[in-house]
Amino acid sequence: QKEVEQNSGPLSVPEGAIASLNCTYSDRGSQSFFWYRQYSGKSPELIMSIYSNGDKEDGRFTAQLNKASQYVSLLIRDSQPSDSATYLCAVKRIGYSTLTFGKGTMLLVSP
Amino acid sequence: KAGVTQTPRYLIKTRGQQVTLSCSPISGHRSVSWYQQTPGQGLQFLFEYFSETQRNKGNFPGRFSGRQFSNSRSEMNVSTLELGDSALYLCASSNTLAGHNEQFFGPGTRLTVL
Repeated sequence: QKEVEQNSGPLSVPEGAIASLNCTYSDRGSQSFFWYRQYSGKSPELIMSIYSNGDKEDGRFTAQLNKASQYVSLLIRDSQPSDSATYLCAVKRIGYSTLTFGKGTMLLVSP
Repeated sequence: KAGVTQTPRYLIKTRGQQVTLSCSPISGHRSVSWYQQTPGQGLQFLFEYFSETQRNKGNFPGRFSGRQFSNSRSEMNVSTLELGDSALYLCASSNTLAGHNEQFFGPGTRLTVL
């Protein structure tokens, strides 16, 4: 069974802090990694994608990938209350087009 | 460019009925995937269509079916509804099956089965 694991949270951080969200996956054939943000009652929104080992930065967001450790993370710098949402990690296997999702980590940013 | 659209946004049905949900992908996208999201199971893959052909199917009973039209719009159907089918049904579109294909979600259809 190919699994994607995330801590369900909630992860609570004060405004302005760095939020660190983590995800592990079991399938070594995983090729592509995605972070989605989902506000309560809304659909998931793609915020980051990463395909190679290392860091990828986009504004306040940094995705980190370590394929050897089967680990992907999302850092949110200068966290804002508007970042409060559930963050979903998704992975795609080589040769397949479907995504496997973790159950998400709820992030709460307090003013 | 307009995003993914789904209709209807909300549905209330009773057990035993059937339902059809519709999805229009982003213009130019030919791949449509359907997911079911519930609080207990999270996001689970239902099926994927590309160029009117079902390419992949998740582990759901045969009551769940779908199709894709020549304009890439897709429908999914659930027959003989059960209480456990209550969920948010999400459609995602992508411009390809190959490579890293990013998927973009529509707003979803909230189905409640009474």
